[in-house]
Amino acid sequence: SYELTQPPSVSVSPGQTARITCSGDALPKKYACWYQQKSGQAPVLVIYEDSKRPSGIPERFSGSSSGTVATLTISGAQVEDEADYYCYSTDSSAHHRLFGGGTKLTVL
Amino acid sequence: EVQLVESGGGLVQPGRSLRLSCAASGFTFDDYAMHWVRQAPGKGLEWVSGISWNSGSIVYADSMKGRFTISRDNAKNSLYLQMNSLRVEDTALYYCAKDRGPSIVGATTGLDYWGQGTLVTVSS
Repeated sequence: SYELTQPPSVSVSPGQTARITCSGDALPKKYACWYQQKSGQAPVLVIYEDSKRPSGIPERFSGSSSGTVATLTISGAQVEDEADYYCYSTDSSAHHRLFGGGTKLTVL
Repeated sequence: EVQLVESGGGLVQPGRSLRLSCAASGFTFDDYAMHWVRQAPGKGLEWVSGISWNSGSIVYADSMKGRFTISRDNAKNSLYLQMNSLRVEDTALYYCAKDRGPSIVGATTGLDYWGQGTLVTVSS
């Protein structure tokens, strides 16, 4: 079955750039979205359609996609950005949605 | 303000059934597709099922197909998930989420609003 693969963890110091990747064979033809989930809270959409940012999401969050890899970039990561991040897309049939396994971002 | 409020969770024995509900407000409910997403304790997000704005398209994750049934009542601004033959591994927090678009077929544009979830515990 189709999978989206993320690194389990990423760690950066405050002010550095954090990059979280998501790999999937269908990504060249399917949009990726990204969600932030802080401990005990519901997920929040931070990027949709590969690179678009919903209103209210800080400009330091950006997204890109090239080939089979989508990337979430947090430029100048803040301590408050510590969270789990999940990519989300569809399989090649465009029927089934799925999430990546999640990446724990540590900023310290 | 968009609000999604889930209800219906609880403790249930393996093999039994449970029906979850999601009450929506603050947006035109019948303009958007809706989804259920679950999260087992300490685990990642898992997409469960989606339904288009008019119930014309319905899709399930393979592991839930045949046991779970998603439905919606646009007159009541409500989304439902009927869960049958529950298993211990179905234990999770179940979220209701609003799609950014009306369809669940084709490229996803993301889930822009989420409820706080309702906890389902399957245990004997």
